[in-house]
Amino acid sequence: GNSVTQMEGPVTLSEEAFLTINCTYTATGYPSLFWYVQYPGEGLQLLLKATKADDKGSNKGFEATYRKETTSFHLEKGSVQVSDSAVYFCALTNSGGSNYKLTFGKGTLLTVNP
Amino acid sequence: NAGVTQTPKFRILKIGQSMTLQCTQDMNHNYMYWYRQDPGMGLKLIYYSVGAGITDKGEVPNGYNVSRSTTEDFPLRLELAAPSQTSVYFCASSPLEGGEQFFGPGTRLTVL
Repeated sequence: GNSVTQMEGPVTLSEEAFLTINCTYTATGYPSLFWYVQYPGEGLQLLLKATKADDKGSNKGFEATYRKETTSFHLEKGSVQVSDSAVYFCALTNSGGSNYKLTFGKGTLLTVNP
Repeated sequence: NAGVTQTPKFRILKIGQSMTLQCTQDMNHNYMYWYRQDPGMGLKLIYYSVGAGITDKGEVPNGYNVSRSTTEDFPLRLELAAPSQTSVYFCASSPLEGGEQFFGPGTRLTVL
């Protein structure tokens, strides 16, 4: 079955530091890949996505590239802010008949200190 | 446009009690989902629906029931609450297959 593995947290950074959160996946076919963000006390919201190999998703200074050869979708940001403190989830959808279901990683808590 | 709304925000139940978690979306999405989020465990799919009148089990359906009589509403029913159902519950909707899911703010449920 499908699975998503992301680096365990928590991750603590100083403001303006570089961020990488690793995500690798196991899936059949050609899944779509997502990063969701959950701010404290809120539901999840889509941060970025990529639907095919070599696609780069980007939003709010965050980027991730769909690497089929390494089955990875690592999240990066060049300069984090205190407001980026949140839990980040990597996720994928199946390809084919049941591609409306999301499989999530366990989440990575990011804390950014001023 | 309210998006996905959930009620209540918090609830404490005693073992064996029942309750319904409400979920409504105003985006005319066909697909709706219920997840539970346990600490350090990501989200697990409980039930989902691909349209009014059609529901199916996800990964962890035991102890829950759902119905989908309208496009807008997708309530989740707990019949006999157990401590293992202590969790945060999220409802989500999506306009199409494989697309972005829009999440509600969640319901924090404690069973004592």
